[in-house]
Amino acid sequence: AQTVTQSQPEMSVQEAETVTLSCTYDTSESNYYLFWYKQPPSRQMILVIRQEAYKQQNATENRFSVNFQKAAKSFSLKISDSQLGDTAMYFCAFVLDSNYQLIWGAGTKLIIKP
Amino acid sequence: AAGVIQSPRHLIKEKRETATLKCYPIPRHDTVYWYQQGPGQDPQFLISFYEKMQSDKGSIPDRFSAQQFSDYHSELNMSSLELGDSALYFCASSQGVATSYEQYFGPGTRLTVT
Repeated sequence: AQTVTQSQPEMSVQEAETVTLSCTYDTSESNYYLFWYKQPPSRQMILVIRQEAYKQQNATENRFSVNFQKAAKSFSLKISDSQLGDTAMYFCAFVLDSNYQLIWGAGTKLIIKP
Repeated sequence: AAGVIQSPRHLIKEKRETATLKCYPIPRHDTVYWYQQGPGQDPQFLISFYEKMQSDKGSIPDRFSAQQFSDYHSELNMSSLELGDSALYFCASSQGVATSYEQYFGPGTRLTVT
């Protein structure tokens, strides 16, 4: 069975600090795609960053970057220079190359303090 | 840029009534997904469609049905509503394998069953 574990239910940091959200997953498949989604209080689900499992290079999107360790099945998200607007629930998820459904973690509530 | 459109945004129904949720994917997206998110929970995959055919099925109750039409919009039909069906229902769309399964979410329909 495919699972995603986010071990940090809630985190809080000061504005402008760097924060890392952890995510581990389990699958016996070798081809899949990993994602981080952000859900602010509006509850809109926003794609933050994605990573193809066959790529060794870590994905980056402006202030957001990932540390992808395929052997360890780890996919952490680093947010640099955090901003108040980064306050949200962050969900780690992946989808297998063989089907369509996203497998989600339970989420990490991130609070950025002024 | 055009986003996924969902209607209605809010819906209040009584127990045992029926509801129909609509989803209009991003232009040129051929795959539609439906998710249910209860309060404080991660999204649960319900069902997906690729090129108007059901592509994957998750934890969708038998009381629910869905389809994708020739213009790629999708409808989720929910009958014999129960209190436990109260949730945020997301529709997402993607171009399938063309974009590594990146799923873009609509704003959601908040269903309240009383």
